[in-house]
Amino acid sequence: KQEVTQIPAALSVPEGENLVLNCSFTDSAIYNLQWFRQDPGKGLTSLLLIQSSQREQTSGRLNASLDKSSGRSTLYIAASQPGDSATYLCAVRLIQGAQKLVFGQGTRLTINP
Amino acid sequence: NAGVTQTPKFRVLKTGQSMTLLCAQDMNHEYMYWYRQDPGMGLRLIHYSVGEGTTAKGEVPDGYNVSRLKKQNFLLGLESAAPSQTSVYFCASRPWVDEKLFFGSGTQLSVL
Repeated sequence: KQEVTQIPAALSVPEGENLVLNCSFTDSAIYNLQWFRQDPGKGLTSLLLIQSSQREQTSGRLNASLDKSSGRSTLYIAASQPGDSATYLCAVRLIQGAQKLVFGQGTRLTINP
Repeated sequence: NAGVTQTPKFRVLKTGQSMTLLCAQDMNHEYMYWYRQDPGMGLRLIHYSVGEGTTAKGEVPDGYNVSRLKKQNFLLGLESAAPSQTSVYFCASRPWVDEKLFFGSGTQLSVL
C-alpha cells in the first residue's frame, strides 16, 4: 500500500529565508507527483506537477524535484514571504488505480515577518 | 470565471438525515472527484467520474452515492447520515489531457 509522508508537520521560519519541504513515498510505481497549497478554510491549489519521467519543475520562486528511485520529492521555496504561509501537501498518482491520488498529511508553514 | 463551486459551504445534520452536496465546474472538465479531509487521515477519494453519465468508487465509498447527469455537475449524496461522516468535503475537477486538479472551497459537514 502506497504511503506518503511529509516531515515536519509544521515549520516556522523568518521572512526571506530559503526553505525545503519534504515528501516521501513508499512505492516508486507512480505516474506523477503534485504539490498543493491549502489556505485555512479553503480548497487546495495545485502548485507544481512532476511527471514520473521528469526530475524537476519550476514556477516562480518554487522548485519541485522528484527522485522516484529513492521515493522522495522536495519543494524548494526561495526568498520566503509571509504570504507563503499555508499548508503544503504532496500527492502521488498511482500507476495502478490510476484515478487515485494518495495525499500526505501536509506541512503547515508559517513565515514570520 | 468561477472554477469549481461547492454548495452548501456548511451544513449540520442529525443522524439518519439525508442530503446532497452539489459541485459545479465551468471549465468543461471531463474528470470530477469527491474527497473528504479528516484530521490525521489526509484527503481520501470517495467517488469519481471520468465523464457525463459515468461514476466509479474511490477509496472510501460506503455510505455515499454520486451522480453525474450533466458534465458540469457532480452530486454527492448521503442517504442516512452518520457521525462518522462528519468531515470537510472537497470537489475537484481536471481536463482530459492535464493532470492538474482544480479544487472547490469545501463543504464543512457535521453529523450530530
